[in-house]
Amino acid sequence: KQEVTQIPAALSVPEGENLVLNCSFTDSAIYNLQWFRQDPGKGLTSLLLIQSSQREQTSGRLNASLDKSSGRSTLYIAASQPGDSATYLCAVLISSGSARQLTFGSGTQLTVLP
Amino acid sequence: EAGVAQSPRYKIIEKRQSVAFWCNPISGHATLYWYQQILGQGPKLLIQFQNNGVVDDSQLPKDRFSAERLKGVDSTLKIQPAKLEDSAVYLCASSLRLAGPKETQYFGPGTRLLVL
Repeated sequence: KQEVTQIPAALSVPEGENLVLNCSFTDSAIYNLQWFRQDPGKGLTSLLLIQSSQREQTSGRLNASLDKSSGRSTLYIAASQPGDSATYLCAVLISSGSARQLTFGSGTQLTVLP
Repeated sequence: EAGVAQSPRYKIIEKRQSVAFWCNPISGHATLYWYQQILGQGPKLLIQFQNNGVVDDSQLPKDRFSAERLKGVDSTLKIQPAKLEDSAVYLCASSLRLAGPKETQYFGPGTRLLVL
């Protein structure tokens, strides 16, 4: 059974710092890995999607890497801002019978202090 | 483009009562998902529809949960009777087609359920 773990569970940093969020998964048979952002009382917003054949994706100040063989991914946020404060969730797309489903980690709650 | 719509946004009920949630996916999206997110955890898939057919309901507690997607558009999720442990946020998501390597899902704002 696929398990996704995110460390740390919570992180507080001063504005302007570069930071790294970690995600690990137990089964390398994935179709892709995605990073989502969740703001309080709101749904999830997809930030980056890395296909299993890719090593990294970038969007603005965000960079995500994928090492499928070791079961690890990192989300790098450059020059953090208070607006980056949210919960960041990692998820892997796996086969489930004839379907495919996303398996999520529990998230990292990020607070960027002004 | 309008996003995924859900209602109600909040619901408080007593245990053993029934409750229903509604979801309207993004127009043209064939695949619809219902997730349960317990406080402090990531979302867990309950059921997945492709048009109006069920693709995966292996994690749906079928003794109390039911879902339908009539005409392949809107969907409802029902809990009857509710238990205390059903307190969670219920998220609806949709995607253009069945999840693939390049496909992402679009999430609604969720319905927060509190069972007393």
